[in-house]
Amino acid sequence: KAGVTQTPRYLIKTRGQQVTLSCSPISGHRSVSWYQQTPGQGLQFLFEYFSETQRNKGNFPGRFSGRQFSNSRSEMNVSTLELGDSALYLCASSLVQKNTGELFFGEGSRLTVL
Amino acid sequence: EDQVTQSPEALRLQEGESSSLNCSYTVSGLRGLFWYRQDPGKGPEFLFTLYSAGEEKEKERLKATLTKKESFLHITAPKPEDSATYLCAVQAGSGGGADGLTFGKGTHLIIQP
Repeated sequence: KAGVTQTPRYLIKTRGQQVTLSCSPISGHRSVSWYQQTPGQGLQFLFEYFSETQRNKGNFPGRFSGRQFSNSRSEMNVSTLELGDSALYLCASSLVQKNTGELFFGEGSRLTVL
Repeated sequence: EDQVTQSPEALRLQEGESSSLNCSYTVSGLRGLFWYRQDPGKGPEFLFTLYSAGEEKEKERLKATLTKKESFLHITAPKPEDSATYLCAVQAGSGGGADGLTFGKGTHLIIQP
């Protein structure tokens, strides 16, 4: 059974640019969540999607956005990149309709902003 | 605001030396407390879910317990392959909704042979 797939795994951008990250959940999983992981703040919740609808959103500025497609694949976008956006962005999927915390994480997309 | 504090930040043990990791939390309306393991360069891997005070879960050399204010992850006779960062997370929510997970910063555990 294939796990959660995130692309790209690594990317380098400069300040002011925008970036789009992609996530393919485990087959059959309809809930997709995104988290940002940094050494200073740890893992922080960005948002969660279920059936193409955003169900929850963390405390991040509007530059961070996402969407989910009908096949449950998800993308997140960060516009007007700042140095502080450098982080590992993790996508996680889950099977049940109501998120019970049992998440299956991908290996992440490591973003470096110069 | 939900908060999760893990201690110690780092722990170095000899193989076979048992110990416990602590997770203190404050949350309004605890829906669940979760333990994850993260290896370098990997995403977190789910270990346990605890829902109410007094609950315990076990898996191989790991045992998680929960009180109203904290959770412990007990590691019995650890092996080098248990070396990882252990993350604690809580989920709040009431009614039909559920919030995203709030994670602690983790305990970096090293088991020396």
